Amino acid sequence: KQEVTQIPAALSVPEGENLVLNCSFTDSAIYNLQWFRQDPGKGLTSLLLIQSSQREQTSGRLNASLDKSSGRSTLYIAASQPGDSATYLCAGGTSYGKLTFGQGTILTVHP
Amino acid sequence: NAGVTQTPKFRILKIGQSMTLQCAQDMNHNYMYWYRQDPGMGLKLIYYSVGAGITDKGEVPNGYNVSRSTTEDFPLRLELAAPSQTSVYFCASSYGQGHTEAFFGQGTRLTVV
Repeated sequence: KQEVTQIPAALSVPEGENLVLNCSFTDSAIYNLQWFRQDPGKGLTSLLLIQSSQREQTSGRLNASLDKSSGRSTLYIAASQPGDSATYLCAGGTSYGKLTFGQGTILTVHP
Repeated sequence: NAGVTQTPKFRILKIGQSMTLQCAQDMNHNYMYWYRQDPGMGLKLIYYSVGAGITDKGEVPNGYNVSRSTTEDFPLRLELAAPSQTSVYFCASSYGQGHTEAFFGQGTRLTVV
């Protein structure tokens, strides 16, 4: 059974810092790895999708990497801003598009 | 372009009552999913469907039922609501087999009292 773990559970940083969120998974037979953002009381917004054959994906200030052999993915956020404050969830995708989620990292960026 | 639409947004149920959570998508996606999210936790898969007329259980299906009569709609039925079903429910859809991005609705916050 796939298990996904995210570290740290919460992170508070000053504006402008570069930061890394970690995600680990137990079953390397994933089809893809997705990172999502969730604002309080809202749904999930997809940030980055890395296919199993890829090593990384980039979108603006966000960069996500995937290492299937070690069962790890990282989300790098450059030059953090208060608007980046949210919960970040990673999820491993398996057959039929089913997703196994981590518990999330609550990020607070203070001015 | 509405994406994935869930109704209602909020609902309070009494123990033993039943209700249906509605989900509709307008992206012509084949695959649809229902997840629940408990406080401080990640999402867990309840049921999923790979096309009209085809549904299957996820990780936490007990107490729920689904149907998929059209590509667009994927309602989730709660029978005999219990306090353990208090949660936020998310519907999602994706285009195909395992390699494509999932799109989520805004969620239904359900409280069973």
